[in-house]
Amino acid sequence: GDSVTQMEGPVTLSEEAFLTINCTYTATGYPSLFWYVQYPGEGLQLLLKATKADDKGSNKGFEATYRKETTSFHLEKGSVQVSDSAVYFCALSDSSGGTSYGKLTFGQGTILTVHP
Amino acid sequence: GAGVSQSPSNKVTEKGKDVELRCDPISGHTALYWYRQSLGQGLEFLIYFQGNSAPDKSGLPSDRFSAERTGGSVSTLTIQRTQQEDSAVYLCASSPGLAIDPQYFGPGTRLTVL
Repeated sequence: GDSVTQMEGPVTLSEEAFLTINCTYTATGYPSLFWYVQYPGEGLQLLLKATKADDKGSNKGFEATYRKETTSFHLEKGSVQVSDSAVYFCALSDSSGGTSYGKLTFGQGTILTVHP
Repeated sequence: GAGVSQSPSNKVTEKGKDVELRCDPISGHTALYWYRQSLGQGLEFLIYFQGNSAPDKSGLPSDRFSAERTGGSVSTLTIQRTQQEDSAVYLCASSPGLAIDPQYFGPGTRLTVL
């Protein structure tokens, strides 16, 4: 079945540091890939997405590139801020056959803490 | 526009009681999903609705769990004879319906079974 593996956390960085959170996946079809973020006390929010190989999703300074050859979708940000402290979830929805629905399979989440 | 709303935001119940959790999706979204978020299991898919039908119930953990959706809109997740292991945050999400569409999540219902 489908699965998503994220790097183990927690991750602790100083403000303005470079961030990478690794995500790899296993899927039987042609998945769309997503990063969701959960800020303290808030619900899950979509951060970015990519729907086909070599697509780059970006939002709020975060980027991730859909790499089919390495089955990866690593999240990066060049300079993190204290306000980026949150839990980050990598997820996929498989679309075998073209128009199937998007049940999400999530990674285990990575806690990011950014210190001033 | 309005996002996904869920009620109640918190529910504390005694073991053995039944509970109902409600989800109001984004207007016009045909797909609705229920997930469960717990410390030990992470985020788990429970059930998917397309319109009023549920083509995938594969994530429901036992026959104590059921869900329905009416009018292609509001959904209710019912847990009968609650157990302590049912304690979790229950999340609802909606989307236009295709796999390439992102899902938009509600704030969740935190269920505590004593």
